[in-house]
Amino acid sequence: EDQVTQSPEALRLQEGESSSLNCSYTVSGLRGLFWYRQDPGKGPEFLFTLYSAGEEKEKERLKATLTKKESFLHITAPKPEDSATYLCAVQARTGNQFYFGTGTSLTVIP
Amino acid sequence: DAGITQSPRHKVTETGTPVTLRCHQTENHRYMYWYRQDPGHGLRLIHYSYGVKDTDKGEVSDGYSVSRSKTEDFLLTLESATSSQTSVYFCAISETPDTQYFGPGTRLTVL
Repeated sequence: EDQVTQSPEALRLQEGESSSLNCSYTVSGLRGLFWYRQDPGKGPEFLFTLYSAGEEKEKERLKATLTKKESFLHITAPKPEDSATYLCAVQARTGNQFYFGTGTSLTVIP
Repeated sequence: DAGITQSPRHKVTETGTPVTLRCHQTENHRYMYWYRQDPGHGLRLIHYSYGVKDTDKGEVSDGYSVSRSKTEDFLLTLESATSSQTSVYFCAISETPDTQYFGPGTRLTVL
């Protein structure tokens, strides 16, 4: 069964304290792995798509990496405005369904 | 929100009443999706559409129906709302069966 697990559930960082969020997945043939950011009361905002092991993508203080079993979202020198819930999703090669994890709630303290 | 609007944004209704949520896009994307988001669960797919009048079920489709008569509109109907359908509902769109872009959400409360 296709499955996505994110850890930790919640993370508190001091401003400037770098860290990583984990997304472990099992899927019968990966079409893509997706990272989203979600602010309270809003819809998920697209960040990255990764397609194959070894691929990396960057945007400002965020970098996403992918292996055959997991993905990491690295946050370098975070700022308070990076506080949000970060969601991971996978899509199998067959079918059009996405499977989402429950997210990591990140709080960056000034 | 990538040219996606959802209406209503908030709704309170009573058990047993029918409810229709609307998703409207201005991007002319082929694919449209309805998800629900509940505490302790990831976003779960209810139904999706891959073209006008072409729809398919997701993993939590029981109690829901959808219709898409125009490219830009995707309707989600709860034929007889139950308290277990209290949730936040998100619409998403995509040009290919790949990266999805989400709307602002509709908070539905069934009393």
